Amino acid sequence: SQQGEEDPQALSIQEGENATMNCSYKTSINNLQWYRQNSGRGLVHLILIRSNEREKHSGRLRVTLDTSKKSSSLLITASRAADTASYFCATDPTGANSKLTFGKGITLSVRP
Amino acid sequence: DVKVTQSSRYLVKRTGEKVFLECVQDMDHENMFWYRQDPGLGLRLIYFSYDVKMKEKGDIPEGYSVSREKKERFSLILESASTNQTSMYLCASSYLGELRRGTATDTQYFGPGTRLTVL
Repeated sequence: SQQGEEDPQALSIQEGENATMNCSYKTSINNLQWYRQNSGRGLVHLILIRSNEREKHSGRLRVTLDTSKKSSSLLITASRAADTASYFCATDPTGANSKLTFGKGITLSVRP
Repeated sequence: DVKVTQSSRYLVKRTGEKVFLECVQDMDHENMFWYRQDPGLGLRLIYFSYDVKMKEKGDIPEGYSVSREKKERFSLILESASTNQTSMYLCASSYLGELRRGTATDTQYFGPGTRLTVL
């Protein structure tokens, strides 16, 4: 079952620009996480934001969460070619026996 | 450093063969997961385990089984491989953390993936 949906599906920017990716979800959550996947590799956890948090920073990453709109955004500032990857949001829905549910991902290309 | 390893990066099998995919984690995590990833479909959970010898079906368990005899090892078994099981298979693990047993929503650590081709 798909809970989080990322937007846009693909994004191409110039090195040095900021990249903004969005995630919308349907049901109440405990937390929302962002992951990165380099081509042909496993996913790497980037950041987790809890439902009672509105904003979180980690290096060049800034994540916001708006539970009233059921949406989150991931901002990568001053992008680098090495940021080229797919980015996934994963939601932790409230309720018993819940599991992380991943979106389909956003493909980010950063042109040197 | 956290480490999840998978037995093969690439695997080619024939239709009808029995296939074993192995995953090992060195973090003493309670939870372990198997996903498959296909273009346009994202990650889909096949099975997960929250303890030794315990398993729960994910979203697409048909055609798969799993085994967890030791805490650090979680195996995915394709009893009779079919061409529609050609995919990228990802293993992950996580702490149980503050969550209830059977709930698995803490940060997950992924292996490098196994790209399986069934001919």
